[in-house]
Amino acid sequence: AQSVTQLGSHVSVSEGALVLLRCNYSSSVPPYLFWYVQYPNQGLQLLLKYTSAATLVKGINGFEAEFKKSETSFHLTKPSAHMSDAAEYFCAVRLGGSQGNLIFGKGTKLSVKP
Amino acid sequence: SQTIHQWPATLVQPVGSPLSLECTVEGTSNPNLYWYRQAAGRGLQLLFYSVGIGQISSEVPQNLSASRPQDRQFILSSKKLLLSDSGFYLCAWRGHRQYNSGNTIYFGEGSWLTVV
Repeated sequence: AQSVTQLGSHVSVSEGALVLLRCNYSSSVPPYLFWYVQYPNQGLQLLLKYTSAATLVKGINGFEAEFKKSETSFHLTKPSAHMSDAAEYFCAVRLGGSQGNLIFGKGTKLSVKP
Repeated sequence: SQTIHQWPATLVQPVGSPLSLECTVEGTSNPNLYWYRQAAGRGLQLLFYSVGIGQISSEVPQNLSASRPQDRQFILSSKKLLLSDSGFYLCAWRGHRQYNSGNTIYFGEGSWLTVV
């Protein structure tokens, strides 16, 4: 069965500091992996996705993530945090089959201090 | 381009009252459609998905039901709401595999439901 674990429900960084949000997955088949961002009272917006092409994936707003099969990880990073990055971030793995549902991690809320 | 609309954005309903949340997708055909619920501190839970008109699969037993009367319309309903139905409901869609959008699920803006 596929699953996703996000380490740390809350991460706080200073503006300009490195952002690192951790995600580990479990999948019996090559996974499709996603990071979504959710701003307060809004839906989920796709940040980036891994679909078995390049292992380093660049997304919107300066975020990137690296797929590491040996570590079953897909951590999200950004070199320099902005105040506008404060949001909740969800890692997800897509199930196969016709339905193609997403299995989400529980989310990590990112706070950015001035 | 494809867009997804979901309404109402906010809803306050008494216990025992009915519910209808609507979702429509534009700019695509025969999408897979999904309803997720996000309850406080519990992440995102898939409630229903649909691969075509009239085809609904339920992921969890609950007080809710879903219908897909048209290709790009997905409705979440309840005959009698419970307090535990409160949460943030998200509609989502996925295109076909042969298109670039086929691997990705896109979400609507969500509907806040408070049952009082």
